[in-house]
Amino acid sequence: DSGVTQTPKHLITATGQRVTLRCSPRSGDLSVYWYQQSLDQGLQFLIQYYNGEERAKGNILERFSAQQFPDLHSELNLSSLELGDSALYFCASSPQTALNTEAFFGQGTRLTVV
Amino acid sequence: GENVEQHPSTLSVQEGDSAVIKCTYSDSASNYFPWYKQELGKGPQLIIDIRSNVGEKKDQRIAVTLNKTAKHFSLHITETQPEDSAVYFCAAVKGFQKLVFGTGTRLLVSP
Repeated sequence: DSGVTQTPKHLITATGQRVTLRCSPRSGDLSVYWYQQSLDQGLQFLIQYYNGEERAKGNILERFSAQQFPDLHSELNLSSLELGDSALYFCASSPQTALNTEAFFGQGTRLTVV
Repeated sequence: GENVEQHPSTLSVQEGDSAVIKCTYSDSASNYFPWYKQELGKGPQLIIDIRSNVGEKKDQRIAVTLNKTAKHFSLHITETQPEDSAVYFCAAVKGFQKLVFGTGTRLLVSP
């Protein structure tokens, strides 16, 4: 168990809908990353937050948005869903201190858009 | 930005053999290189990492080597076992920036 919790584990929804994926980082970790993994594909970086502030943005679609709350949990919002958005969505957290930049991943949310 | 290449994409070995996966990175300022193992339906699991001030690190049957001059790093698994079968990802990190992953290597260990 990495200590990173993602909910829900599975999500099936229709095209055009909106969903919210939730991530609780490991205790004490200030940084949260979101990654997308399509079938048999690699890990594509979406966005990173550090202590509530957006730190870096990858190839995240305009239909997608995220935020990190004061309690450090993060949510990834996906709207106007398309079939191609079906993928595994992973959250990772890291202390991101000078001595410790290890990142640990959650078990992911499998999103299926039908 | 950083770009990480990983080879091979698939690797089949017999149980007990060694396996080597290689990665190259483009940004000489990258200073942290983790390796992740991903089993089917699960999240990537950190298995070993190395920082730029170290040339080699071992943890039981796995080891990682880093050549900063050539900008490449490798994962070595000795005495492979069927439970080592998984997809392995390398990554490179610069400072406090995001992990940039390689494309993954599917390792199959046959009994």
